[in-house]
Amino acid sequence: KNQVEQSPQSLIILEGKNCTLQCNYTVSPFSNLRWYKQDTGRGPVSLTIMTFSENTKSNGRYTATLDADTKQSSLHITASQLSDSASYICVVSDSRKLIFGQGTTLQVKP
Amino acid sequence: DGGITQSPKYLFRKEGQNVTLSCEQNLNHDAMYWYRQDPGQGLRLIYYSQIVNDFQKGDIAEGYSVSREKKESFPLTVTSAQKNPTAFYLCASSSTGGDTEAFFGQGTRLTVV
Repeated sequence: KNQVEQSPQSLIILEGKNCTLQCNYTVSPFSNLRWYKQDTGRGPVSLTIMTFSENTKSNGRYTATLDADTKQSSLHITASQLSDSASYICVVSDSRKLIFGQGTTLQVKP
Repeated sequence: DGGITQSPKYLFRKEGQNVTLSCEQNLNHDAMYWYRQDPGQGLRLIYYSQIVNDFQKGDIAEGYSVSREKKESFPLTVTSAQKNPTAFYLCASSSTGGDTEAFFGQGTRLTVV
């Protein structure tokens, strides 16, 4: 069964600190992997999209990595800000549809 | 402004009533999707449509119905057969299937009272 598992489920960090979110998937065939940011009560917004041949991709303070061999991805947030408080969702495509992880809820405290 | 619009943002329904959630996009996207989000769970696919006048059941279609009469519009009806309809509903669209980026609406929070 196609699945996307994220860890940790929730995370609290202090403003200015770095953090890393994890995503493991068993989706096959694999088309691409995306990370979305979802603010409370809003729709998800895309941060990065990575295909099979890409190992890393950055978007400002967000850096995503992909290891297609181990079927793992990570999202690293550098120098966190209060506005980074949100849910981060890992989404894997099998080219026909999107399979969503349950998300990691990040809270950045001052 | 191009985008995808859901309405209303909040919706209350009495038990036993059907209710329709609106989703409109002006991105000229062929594919549209409806997801349900519950606390602590990932988004679950209800229905999706790859082309006008055609749609497919997702993972949790029971108690829901959709139509795709126009490319821009993909309304979702939550019927009285849906046993636990209280949730956050998200509509999305993409230019083709799973290979392209999906753009999401702002969501509709449905509460059964």
